[in-house]
Amino acid sequence: DTAVSQTPKYLVTQMGNDKSIKCEQNLGHDTMYWYKQDSKKFLKIMFSYNNKELIINETVPNRFSPKSPDKAHLNLHINSLELGDSAVYFCASSPTGVVAKNIQYFGAGTRLSVL
Amino acid sequence: KQEVTQIPAALSVPEGENLVLNCSFTDSAIYNLQWFRQDPGKGLTSLLLIQSSQREQTSGRLNASLDKSSGRSTLYIAASQPGDSATYLCAAGGGADGLTFGKGTHLIIQP
Repeated sequence: DTAVSQTPKYLVTQMGNDKSIKCEQNLGHDTMYWYKQDSKKFLKIMFSYNNKELIINETVPNRFSPKSPDKAHLNLHINSLELGDSAVYFCASSPTGVVAKNIQYFGAGTRLSVL
Repeated sequence: KQEVTQIPAALSVPEGENLVLNCSFTDSAIYNLQWFRQDPGKGLTSLLLIQSSQREQTSGRLNASLDKSSGRSTLYIAASQPGDSATYLCAAGGGADGLTFGKGTHLIIQP
């Protein structure tokens, strides 16, 4: 059973298009995240979200928006795609409870290529 | 703003050696420090989590230490095996702000 699953695994699209990446977790976690790993393999937090609060990294363009239809899902919508958006996007989740103990569980990633 | 640095960027050692990967972070106000493993084309696998109140954690051949006051963590791998070859990522923070990652150490264990 995959704990954190992302679809699609690969996404190739043209500049200017709008696309979405889906993320689902079956761990019962309350907090979910999106990270971006660039071509130099550097991972950066984009968003963290629970049912009460969305925290956005200030460097993320407003073309990116997370949407959570329910606690188990956090989808990433990207408008007007640009070449620089090409990267691997990872979804993660962590449980509630004592924050210091909260391991983050990652999905396998979505490789986005913008042509 | 938290910054995480990992040294070395790459390491190649013969099988069976013990090795140490280093991680430093600039902001000691963290909930925890986590070590992850990433295999090529794959996601991240959590190896160890050290809470901010702890000094070390062990799992099998892996031991991670944390010195919050000096902003340092080390990952010790004993009796390395070819299957340990991967990129090892250190991440500091936790909580609603998520994790701040280092750029990783690319480890190759030669058979």
